[in-house]
Amino acid sequence: EVQLLESGGGLVQPGGSLRLSCVASGFTFSTYAMGWVRHGPGKGLEWVSAISAKDESTYYADSVKGRFTISRDTSKNTLYLQMSSLRAEDTAVYYCAKRSSGWYGFFDYWGQGTLVTVSS
Amino acid sequence: EIVMTQSPATLSVSPGERASLSCRASQNVNNNVAWFQQKPGQGPRLLIYGASSRATGIPARFSGSQSGTDFTLTISSLQSEDCAIYYCQQYNNWPLTFGGGTKVEIK
Repeated sequence: EVQLLESGGGLVQPGGSLRLSCVASGFTFSTYAMGWVRHGPGKGLEWVSAISAKDESTYYADSVKGRFTISRDTSKNTLYLQMSSLRAEDTAVYYCAKRSSGWYGFFDYWGQGTLVTVSS
Repeated sequence: EIVMTQSPATLSVSPGERASLSCRASQNVNNNVAWFQQKPGQGPRLLIYGASSRATGIPARFSGSQSGTDFTLTISSLQSEDCAIYYCQQYNNWPLTFGGGTKVEIK
């Protein structure tokens, strides 16, 4: 059974940093692309970032480019999202999601999410 | 950026009746559209991929169709457990984009 377990969320001041983690199990982590999607209060879903499997190419939404960094550690079956220069508008539940192939495709499994609140 | 426009924002349907949710892409996305169901406090759940293929374990009452850049999710006979917000998403181009969602409620 595929499982994705996010952690690392919390309350952070504007301008601060936070690192989210997502531990994956139930599939061969190294062979699938992964991504992060967020759901802000009163908003819809917003794709944040993605990383491919083999060459670890990375992709970012314009709203986070230059502030967030996605990475993966296949030895730990873990996906990360390093967030810096956080803003109030980054407040959201952040979901880790598995893609259906090593390069692109749809998100076929999602975690339960971790809440990030940016506030002074 | 490809804009995905969903309608209506809210859909009220009687139990056992059909629910049709629409999603329009601002440009060609081929058939690279997925539909997700999200309930409060839960992560999204994949329902449909490739515009019309049902994901593993999804009941047959859920179906997807495409006409050009118009996509439709149909729930043939609404059950109480289908009350949720439904999102479409295109994965044809970067950035990946979602529609604004349709809330389905029981009338």
